[in-house]
Amino acid sequence: GAVVSQHPSWVICKSGTSVKIECRSLDFQATTMFWYRQFPKQSLMLMATSNEGSKATYEQGVEKDKFLINHASLTLSTLTVTSAHPEDSSFYICSARVLASGRASYEQYFGPGTRLTVT
Amino acid sequence: QKEVEQDPGPLSVPEGAIVSLNCTYSNSAFQYFMWYRQYSRKGPELLMYTYSSGNKEDGRFTAQVDKSSKYISLFIRDSQPSDSATYLCALNQGAQKLVFGQGTRLTINP
Repeated sequence: GAVVSQHPSWVICKSGTSVKIECRSLDFQATTMFWYRQFPKQSLMLMATSNEGSKATYEQGVEKDKFLINHASLTLSTLTVTSAHPEDSSFYICSARVLASGRASYEQYFGPGTRLTVT
Repeated sequence: QKEVEQDPGPLSVPEGAIVSLNCTYSNSAFQYFMWYRQYSRKGPELLMYTYSSGNKEDGRFTAQVDKSSKYISLFIRDSQPSDSATYLCALNQGAQKLVFGQGTRLTINP
């Protein structure tokens, strides 16, 4: 199957600092990348959707100035948590939708996740 | 009513048993159906992807879609302790975002 990587896998930062998380599709090009947040024992919550070269579309209730998303290429998207606070501590997971030439494909692959702890 | 309903379990079965996981949905516009497996503290892993009614088999896994009943299933044969995880069904209408079920926590007991 297709592989999506995330870096870092875990990060601890102090309150008020910013953290950048990278998401890469390693062996395929992605039309669209997604960022999710997951709290313990809960399902995934979509934060935003981004297409290469376009501004991200944020879900209702997600602060776009706090969670900055850049989708620089068909294989790389970044999420920057600005001025992080303890309540931003969570598991952040990116996902990439396969770009398949000649046919519609909506297979979506997830990265391994990044655990963010804000102290 | 949620768009996608999935029994959260937990579900506990002995090793070697056949496991049946199910989701129902209300929106007939859903066209694409996926099953993911998620281990604790890991991202979801795509197990099955299908877009038509009927069965799709991959090793010990069989995905079944019944669009007329708005019902999808994932069967796991010869279940192993390593299959212990949370299983998520996910549906979409194509370019739209995925809609997830709540996830079923499965434990396979040796």
